Amino acid sequence: SQTIHQWPATLVQPVGSPLSLECTVEGTSNPNLYWYRQAAGRGLQLLFYSVGIGQISSEVPQNLSASRPQDRQFILSSKKLLLSDSGFYLCAWGEMPYNEQFFGPGTRLTVL
Amino acid sequence: AQSVAQPEDQVNVAEGNPLTVKCTYSVSGNPYLFWYVQYPNRGLQFLLKYITGDNLVKGSYGFEAEFNKSQTSFHLKKPSALVSDSALYFCAVREGNYGQNFVFGPGTRLSVLP
Repeated sequence: SQTIHQWPATLVQPVGSPLSLECTVEGTSNPNLYWYRQAAGRGLQLLFYSVGIGQISSEVPQNLSASRPQDRQFILSSKKLLLSDSGFYLCAWGEMPYNEQFFGPGTRLTVL
Repeated sequence: AQSVAQPEDQVNVAEGNPLTVKCTYSVSGNPYLFWYVQYPNRGLQFLLKYITGDNLVKGSYGFEAEFNKSQTSFHLKKPSALVSDSALYFCAVREGNYGQNFVFGPGTRLSVLP
């Protein structure tokens, strides 16, 4: 069966510090991968998605970047965090075209 | 462009009563529709989906949803609510075979009162 992992689970970082969040998927090949941000326990904002190694699409201009160095690994990064980067970050994977997305447990990021 | 509306920010229902969480959508082509549930500080869990076929879709934990093309709705229902159903519920839509991405609604918080 497929599983999705995210780490760390929680993170507190000062403004201006770098960020690296990692997501890995097991039990599937060539999945579509997604990074979402959820603010204040409400709606999800799609940040990035990837349909293959090295292929990244950005949905919103921002302080963040994403990379996919391996088929089942998706990394969210920032060189300098802003206060507004605080939130709950969710990684998800899915298979086109009919299938649902499956979400990881999330990372709670607090920027102070 | 795709969009999803969940007109109720909060739904309160007594335990044992039926519940409905509303969702309406807008897409250009055929909609693929999904419901997810989120418990505090957790990721989203998939409940059910509509791709094609029978308009009444049954999913996990006794939930079901009814697709209504004329009203562009996909309401989530359960015949008898449990206190443990209290959570945040999200409706999502993908636009047929052309859409890579989901569009999520803003979420509806369901509280089931004992």
